Amino acid sequence: DAGVTQSPTHLIKTRGQQVTLRCSPKSGHDTVSWYQQALGQGPQFIFQYYEEEERQRGNFPDRFSGHQFPNYSSELNVNALLLGDSALYLCASSLRDGGSLQYFGPGTRLTVT
Amino acid sequence: SQQGEEDPQALSIQEGENATMNCSYKTSINNLQWYRQNSGRGLVHLILIRSNEREKHSGRLRVTLDTSKKSSSLLITASRAADTASYFCATEIRADYKLSFGAGTTVTVRA
Repeated sequence: DAGVTQSPTHLIKTRGQQVTLRCSPKSGHDTVSWYQQALGQGPQFIFQYYEEEERQRGNFPDRFSGHQFPNYSSELNVNALLLGDSALYLCASSLRDGGSLQYFGPGTRLTVT
Repeated sequence: SQQGEEDPQALSIQEGENATMNCSYKTSINNLQWYRQNSGRGLVHLILIRSNEREKHSGRLRVTLDTSKKSSSLLITASRAADTASYFCATEIRADYKLSFGAGTTVTVRA
């Protein structure tokens, strides 16, 4: 049973560019949440997807957008990259009404130069 | 904004000793969870304690929750080198999988 997978593992982008990160949830999970973790900080909630819709959103600008596909996988898109977007992006999956337990992927390390 | 704050920021102990770290939060919660992170990789779920629980154990881990003080503690007994990691507390205000994390405690276990 595969856990949460994320791709790519690392990537480097230039300011102003756009990036897409991908997440495949744990088998059977239907809810995906995205977090941003800056160096030396705790993760910050970006948004959450369930039934292909954004259900909750944290305090992030509209440059951050996402999508959930019918197979429950998800993408995180960031437009007009800033240096401050450099971070580890974590995906977490859960089962709706699953008792608050969620599983995190290994993350994607984004460096913006 | 970060709901939880861990204390201390860093902790260095000898193998075999116990490690205790604390977490304080600001608002009423549905549950509080502790996670471990090794070298900037993904988070590993350690333990979840609900707002109506006061203490939970899992192997060498003991977590307490004091909702009147809005605080929690994580105790790792008989520490091992493999326990070297960053530990985060996270609160869930409603049962909606939206977690608010603290900045973490970095634990170093010396052989």
